[in-house]
Amino acid sequence: KNEVEQSPQNLTAQEGEFITINCSYSVGISALHWLQQHPGGGIVSLFMLSSGKKKHGRLIATINIQEKHSSLHITASHPRDSAVYICAVYPRGYAGGTSYGKLTFGQGTILTVHP
Amino acid sequence: DARVTQTPRHKVTEMGQEVTMRCQPILGHNTVFWYRQTMMQGLELLAYFRNRAPLDDSGMPKDRFSAEMPDATLATLKIQPSEPRDSAVYFCASGLVSGAGANVLTFGAGSRLTVL
Repeated sequence: KNEVEQSPQNLTAQEGEFITINCSYSVGISALHWLQQHPGGGIVSLFMLSSGKKKHGRLIATINIQEKHSSLHITASHPRDSAVYICAVYPRGYAGGTSYGKLTFGQGTILTVHP
Repeated sequence: DARVTQTPRHKVTEMGQEVTMRCQPILGHNTVFWYRQTMMQGLELLAYFRNRAPLDDSGMPKDRFSAEMPDATLATLKIQPSEPRDSAVYFCASGLVSGAGANVLTFGAGSRLTVL
């Protein structure tokens, strides 16, 4: 079993729909990243969070450390949101220390938003 | 916008040849990472540096891979000799780690390597 599990693996939506992507992890963490990768493109860090909620435009990320779960929400989805969304965690004790950088990645969620 | 610059963007080579990938991190970032992405394995950490010092390269096949950071503006990843199983997209990322913890993480556009 992977340390970081994302669901769903594939998600298809119509423009305007509210989208949720989930990430569950089995290790204690100090922080979590949500990354976005467009087809053939680079990787962009959308959020890094260690508690609570963060919002940027139509994107909202939440995390529940006790339940070892994070969600990425997209409101009023648009075809340009079509991408792979990757959850990645920093195991506890690593972030900020000399071992910082040992991100463990989920397998990614492929999102397709149709016009 | 500040960005991480990787070269080459694409490289096709024959098995046994040496491949060098370069990365220019964002000025002021103190940590540089090399990741590899394949369809089968997803994203994997190969190596990373803090203030130019190598911290961890346990994810890297030592017999053929080497990573260096000769100065603050350049990180290199070298494969010698290359093999078909090295075909992947190699990403460089740089980040800023402060006393408050880790925050910024910026990826380069990646170097797509094909070894025939």
